[in-house]
Amino acid sequence: ETGVTQSPTHLIKTRGQQVTLRCSSQSGHNTVSWYQQALGQGPQFIFQYYREEENGRGNFPPRFSGLQFPNYSSELNVNALELDDSALYLCASSPTPQGLHSPLHFGNGTRLTVT
Amino acid sequence: SQQGEEDPQALSIQEGENATMNCSYKTSINNLQWYRQNSGRGLVHLILIRSNEREKHSGRLRVTLDTSKKSSSLLITASRAADTASYFCATGINAGGTSYGKLTFGQGTILTVHP
Repeated sequence: ETGVTQSPTHLIKTRGQQVTLRCSSQSGHNTVSWYQQALGQGPQFIFQYYREEENGRGNFPPRFSGLQFPNYSSELNVNALELDDSALYLCASSPTPQGLHSPLHFGNGTRLTVT
Repeated sequence: SQQGEEDPQALSIQEGENATMNCSYKTSINNLQWYRQNSGRGLVHLILIRSNEREKHSGRLRVTLDTSKKSSSLLITASRAADTASYFCATGINAGGTSYGKLTFGQGTILTVHP
């Protein structure tokens, strides 16, 4: 069974640039969620994708967008990067959307630094 | 804003002792989950307790849930140095709409177990 994999592991960008983070879900999982974790904080929900559509979104501006592909892998795109976007970005997959008592399986994250 | 609040923020104990972490939340929930995170890596799911359950065990872990007080506790018995990590509670709701699929995490408890 292949776990959740994320790429890249580390990334340094300049303010104003755009970034794409990638995630491969665990085999058999059709739901992918993205979380942002600032240093010393708990993860904050960005959005969730199920059957290639966004079906839940947290309090993040529209410059945070995503995609889910037919193989259930996913991308997180962030435009017009700001210094406060520096964080660990975590992808998590589950076999069903969260409303059905499914635990999340997390990848090891992408550490994004915006300078 | 964070739904859950963990207490204490940091806990330091000796190997063999028990560790107890508490979590409080604000709104009605579908389930409550506990996760562990080792030094900035991905989160690992430990245990899920549904809103109609009061106690759950998994190996050295014991979780209780009191929905009347909107609180939960995680007990780790006979702790080991390898238990050193950050522990997060997360609540899941089934409100539909934009909240669907969202897990809300607390800020975590940093547990240090000294050999």
